[in-house]
Amino acid sequence: GAVVSQHPSWVICKSGTSVKIECRSLDFQATTMFWYRQFPKQSLMLMATSNEGSKATYEQGVEKDKFLINHASLTLSTLTVTSAHPEDSSFYICSAEGAVNTEAFFGQGTRLTVV
Amino acid sequence: KQEVTQIPAALSVPEGENLVLNCSFTDSAIYNLQWFRQDPGKGLTSLLLIQSSQREQTSGRLNASLDKSSGRSTLYIAASQPGDSATYLCAVKDSGYALNFGKGTSLLVTP
Repeated sequence: GAVVSQHPSWVICKSGTSVKIECRSLDFQATTMFWYRQFPKQSLMLMATSNEGSKATYEQGVEKDKFLINHASLTLSTLTVTSAHPEDSSFYICSAEGAVNTEAFFGQGTRLTVV
Repeated sequence: KQEVTQIPAALSVPEGENLVLNCSFTDSAIYNLQWFRQDPGKGLTSLLLIQSSQREQTSGRLNASLDKSSGRSTLYIAASQPGDSATYLCAVKDSGYALNFGKGTSLLVTP
């Protein structure tokens, strides 16, 4: 299957700082990328959908000014958690699709811990 | 809003057993359904993708079926091995374009 690379795999940051997470499709062009959040023993919850060259669409309850998403190219999307707080600690994971309604491929996930 | 339910939540079986994981969804107007495997602290590995027009897909010891009209899918694992231990997630794609996930089935295969 196609490869989606997500970095970093884990990060610890101080409260009030910002953290950037990268999601890259290595061997295909991703027209759409999705960002999910997963709490312990819970399922994945969609945060936002991003299409290359346009503004991300955020799910209800997700603060767009806190979770900045940039999809500057067909192979890269970034999620920046701004002014992180301990309650933002979670597992963040991205997915990418080459075309609408095709198979979704996921990155390795990023474990964010805010102290 | 699409709701995806997976039963059982957890399952423990001895090595060599055949097993079935169940997934149900509330809105049958889906584009496709995917089964994933997630190891602790890791990302998701796609196992099988079933398009809405298909009834089943097979890969090695895995077979997934889809009954769209009744809102059900099953993942059949033949001759289970300890390396199959993981959480298995079912996800459906509907008109929202993003995947809607169940909470998963945590599988433990004991030697």
